[in-house]
Amino acid sequence: QVQLVQSGAEVKKPGASVKVSCKASGYTFTSYYMHWVRQAPGQGLEWMGIINPSGGSTSYAQKFQGRVTMTRDTSTSTVYMELSSLRSEDTAVYYCAREMGTTTPYYMDVWGKGTTVTVSS
Amino acid sequence: SSELTQDPAVSVALGQTVRITCQGDSLRSYYASWYQQKPGQAPVLVIYGKNNRPSGIPDRFSGSSSGNTASLTITGAQAEDEADYYCNSRDSSGNHLNVVFGGGTKLTVL
Repeated sequence: QVQLVQSGAEVKKPGASVKVSCKASGYTFTSYYMHWVRQAPGQGLEWMGIINPSGGSTSYAQKFQGRVTMTRDTSTSTVYMELSSLRSEDTAVYYCAREMGTTTPYYMDVWGKGTTVTVSS
Repeated sequence: SSELTQDPAVSVALGQTVRITCQGDSLRSYYASWYQQKPGQAPVLVIYGKNNRPSGIPDRFSGSSSGNTASLTITGAQAEDEADYYCNSRDSSGNHLNVVFGGGTKLTVL
């Protein structure tokens, strides 16, 4: 079955970086885009960016430009999201979610279970 | 970038019909998709496109769109429908790969 399995919870100090992974299985990895979405405690969903696993092209939300990097490893069907210069406001659950991407309508049909990142001194 | 606006909270009596709306300029160009999120769980897609339900989503969930407004309707709300609901769409301004989410609507079933 289609699955997105994310890496485990992280605790980081302010100023550090975190790299979260999302391993896809059950479908052709390069046929679907992957989004990263985060949710701070008690808050709504916030879109961070998208990667096309086929060629590796990315687009990031303006808010995260310069701090976020999304990459992929086609040999392991895994996408990564690295966020640098962490601050307390980055404490959140980070989700990956796939999207067909090449045709409308666009929608995120499968989500990972989320990775909790806590930023604390 | 575009914005999508949702009412923060809506309530419905058990078995009644409720409509959750999502407004934004990007909805004139792109369909909204709708996600249900229960506490401690990842979001689940409930409606996409003009009015499509993924496998396993009950047919009491339906979607519609007009102009800059998309709506999610639950006909005969059940206790298990109590959750947060989010809309999203592609961003019609700037890079069209970008996505925007609504702020979410907390649905209470009375």
